[in-house]
Amino acid sequence: AQRVTQPEKLLSVFKGAPVELKCNYSYSGSPELFWYVQYSRQRLQLLLRHISRESIKGFTADLNKGETSFHLKKPFAQEEDSAMYYCALSSWGAQKLVFGQGTRLTINP
Amino acid sequence: GAGVSQSPSNKVTEKGKDVELRCDPISGHTALYWYRQSLGQGLEFLIYFQGNSAPDKSGLPSDRFSAERTGGSVSTLTIQRTQQEDSAVYLCASRGAGGGTQYFGPGTRLTVL
Repeated sequence: AQRVTQPEKLLSVFKGAPVELKCNYSYSGSPELFWYVQYSRQRLQLLLRHISRESIKGFTADLNKGETSFHLKKPFAQEEDSAMYYCALSSWGAQKLVFGQGTRLTINP
Repeated sequence: GAGVSQSPSNKVTEKGKDVELRCDPISGHTALYWYRQSLGQGLEFLIYFQGNSAPDKSGLPSDRFSAERTGGSVSTLTIQRTQQEDSAVYLCASRGAGGGTQYFGPGTRLTVL
């Protein structure tokens, strides 16, 4: 079965500190992994996808197939990073997304 | 260009009533998805339309839920005989041909009293 686990419902860090949002997945095959973000009063939007291997807003995420993880990292948190973050996976071709429960990230000044 | 739009933005209904939620995808997008965002269940896939293919209904929670997509564009999600547990934010997303990013609408917040 496809499953995405985000172990932290809430994460609070200080501005300038490193951030890591954890994501583990379960999938028999080669999934595509995503991070979506939802800022306050805004719609859900894509932050990054593993096949792009790019950094968006200073965030990066590396797919570790051995550990079945796709953790989201940023070396120096900013207050505007406060939001709800969802890790998601889809199978190639089907594209329907399976989401984790989400992590609410709060950056304290 | 315009993004995915959904209407109404909020809907309050009484238990047992039927409701219809509308999604206008990005023009030209061939794939359309419905998801549900609720406190207890997080974000769940409901149904997926791709072109003229039969929809993937595997996420619909009961036969009270149905959806259609007319002319390959606008989609309507219908919930019959609403129950309190149907209260959630219903999200629509669309995607262009050939894969890629799903773009989400603002959602419809459904409250069943």
